[in-house]
Amino acid sequence: DIQMTQSPSSLSASVGDRVTITCRASQGIFNYLAWYQQKPGKVPELLIYAASTLQSGVPSRFSGSGSGTDFTLTISSLQPEDVATYYCQKYNSAPLTFGGGTKVEIK
Amino acid sequence: QVQLVESGGGVVQPGRSLRLSCAASGFTFSSYGIHWVRQAPGKGLEWVAFIWYDGSNKYYADSVKGRFTISRDNFKNTLYLQMISLRAEDTAVYYCARSAFVVSAPRPVDYWGQGTLVTVSS
Repeated sequence: DIQMTQSPSSLSASVGDRVTITCRASQGIFNYLAWYQQKPGKVPELLIYAASTLQSGVPSRFSGSGSGTDFTLTISSLQPEDVATYYCQKYNSAPLTFGGGTKVEIK
Repeated sequence: QVQLVESGGGVVQPGRSLRLSCAASGFTFSSYGIHWVRQAPGKGLEWVAFIWYDGSNKYYADSVKGRFTISRDNFKNTLYLQMISLRAEDTAVYYCARSAFVVSAPRPVDYWGQGTLVTVSS
């Protein structure tokens, strides 16, 4: 099975900073990659699918890129409401494995 | 609006069985594939299973294959997860989650239920 590895596992950044989270697949998955945000005590929310397509209603400061094995989620200007854990997920085929998560905090 | 409401969680002894249900409303249930996703306390997300819109195909995580069975009743707009031979490591919040887009193959989740907690403990 394909493994999904996220890095870093946690980060602390200042409001307004540009934040980048990476997700690496152990084998190529084309662009079948989604990103989710889970705020503390809440259910996850879909941010991005097809590696770079923003889900409806998601702020434009979020963006995704990549294809094959290497993917990136970028927050262009970190806001206090972005404190959350972010997960990537592959969906080219089952199992639809999630990455281990990246916890984002405000410095 | 799309609603997914899980039920059936609780405390169960290791080796015993439990069946979770998920009542769907606010969308054409029979047109969408549905996932079960779980999250152990303080841990990350783990995909568990997926069923096609018509129930004709099902997929499972290796960790539950042979022990969990996903099924659906499109007349009752309800999804199920039958769990047998439960282990301590199955302790988690179980989410019912709709697959985005009206296609057969598994896709990311666009709507989540609030989850039901399953605790496997003696």
